[in-house]
Amino acid sequence: GESVGLHLPTLSVQEGDNSIINCAYSNSASDYFIWYKQESGKGPQFIIDIRSNMDKRQGQRVTVLLNKTVKHLSLQIAATQPGDSAVYFCAENLAGGTSYGKLTFGQGTILTVHP
Amino acid sequence: NAGVTQTPKFRILKIGQSMTLQCTQDMNHNYMYWYRQDPGMGLKLIYYSVGAGITDKGEVPNGYNVSRSTTEDFPLRLELAAPSQTSVYFCASSYRGGYNEQFFGPGTRLTVL
Repeated sequence: GESVGLHLPTLSVQEGDNSIINCAYSNSASDYFIWYKQESGKGPQFIIDIRSNMDKRQGQRVTVLLNKTVKHLSLQIAATQPGDSAVYFCAENLAGGTSYGKLTFGQGTILTVHP
Repeated sequence: NAGVTQTPKFRILKIGQSMTLQCTQDMNHNYMYWYRQDPGMGLKLIYYSVGAGITDKGEVPNGYNVSRSTTEDFPLRLELAAPSQTSVYFCASSYRGGYNEQFFGPGTRLTVL
């Protein structure tokens, strides 16, 4: 099936900087997108999601932007902290609201935050 | 709530052996999922279930079997283990499908030698 991919496999930032993690998707029918954070030795943890009828959604220190024209998704983390160091995955859900929640994950980006 | 629990945490199998990975959730979720994660890769869906007695294949089901006799439990069975099944296995659950958040367990790291 269609896959979700990431432009940058690694990202290093200084504490306090803003981080931007990118994701490209290829299936224009994708309806729902989710960002997950995975710390070493743990399962993925939900960060934020966005539906295809939106182009921006904000959470606590995180913002997800969706550009359907170029099939691009980004995760912005404000004032990045050492605790944000992890692997970040984007995932897509075809026909989100009517689906069984079957997710297609991207490869992941390793975010390293230096004190 | 313990959330999603998985056992064992680690396991080494010999080629041809079989085992069952256990997954239990205490959130009364209807939907449950099994994913595998190969090194440096994202997760891939193996099987999923939308309720007790109902299961279906995901993207990579070959070599695996599942059952769902209760709402809480969703075991994954590996028959005739192969080196290609060396991976980290994650179980997840959600109240429903669609836009509902999936909660993941801590994973089982399996090595087949």
